[in-house]
Amino acid sequence: GQQVMQIPQYQHVQEGEDFTTYCNSSTTLSNIQWYKQRPGGHPVFLIQLVKSGEVKKQKRLTFQFGEAKKNSSLHITATQTTDVGTYFCAGEVAGSNYKLTFGKGTLLTVNP
Amino acid sequence: NAGVMQNPRHLVRRRGQEARLRCSPMKGHSHVYWYRQLPEEGLKFMVYLQKENIIDESGMPKERFSAEFPKEGPSILRIQQVVRGDSAAYFCASSGTSGDEQFFGPGTRLTVL
Repeated sequence: GQQVMQIPQYQHVQEGEDFTTYCNSSTTLSNIQWYKQRPGGHPVFLIQLVKSGEVKKQKRLTFQFGEAKKNSSLHITATQTTDVGTYFCAGEVAGSNYKLTFGKGTLLTVNP
Repeated sequence: NAGVMQNPRHLVRRRGQEARLRCSPMKGHSHVYWYRQLPEEGLKFMVYLQKENIIDESGMPKERFSAEFPKEGPSILRIQQVVRGDSAAYFCASSGTSGDEQFFGPGTRLTVL
């Protein structure tokens, strides 16, 4: 079955440092979504990427979708303590009844 | 505009009992998804429902688990004869159309003693 791998599993940074998490799918995706989950909370939608090579920015967050639509990345510039949480990618395969397959997530902690 | 609601937020059951988890989607949403999350794990898809229809239940165990989304009322995830391995956080999400962004509820933390 489809697998979505996400690395790293954990990342600890000093406030102000940059952070990147990577997502790889075993199959070509129709789209990829990114979610953030704070400790003890629930996943919150961040963005959806649909087009090959697409790049989207949200303030300090930059999201990329690979040319082959099998990988994606999330980059945070100059992290802040409010960025703490687990970042999940979730891929949707065409014809899968819109089922999302989540990666295991990257837990980001930020030292003030 | 209320978001996705789930209840109860915490549920404790003894082995062999039944667990009923409820999910009310966002107003205007007719697509509901259930996920299970184990500690330090991602979310595992269980089932996708539209009103009165199960669209995809490929992630749901064949035995003891069932889900419904009736014409009136919340979506229900039912776990019969719970075992310790069922302990997890169960999240419900809803969307306005299929393939759209999913809005998650606060989850139900199930503990089986």
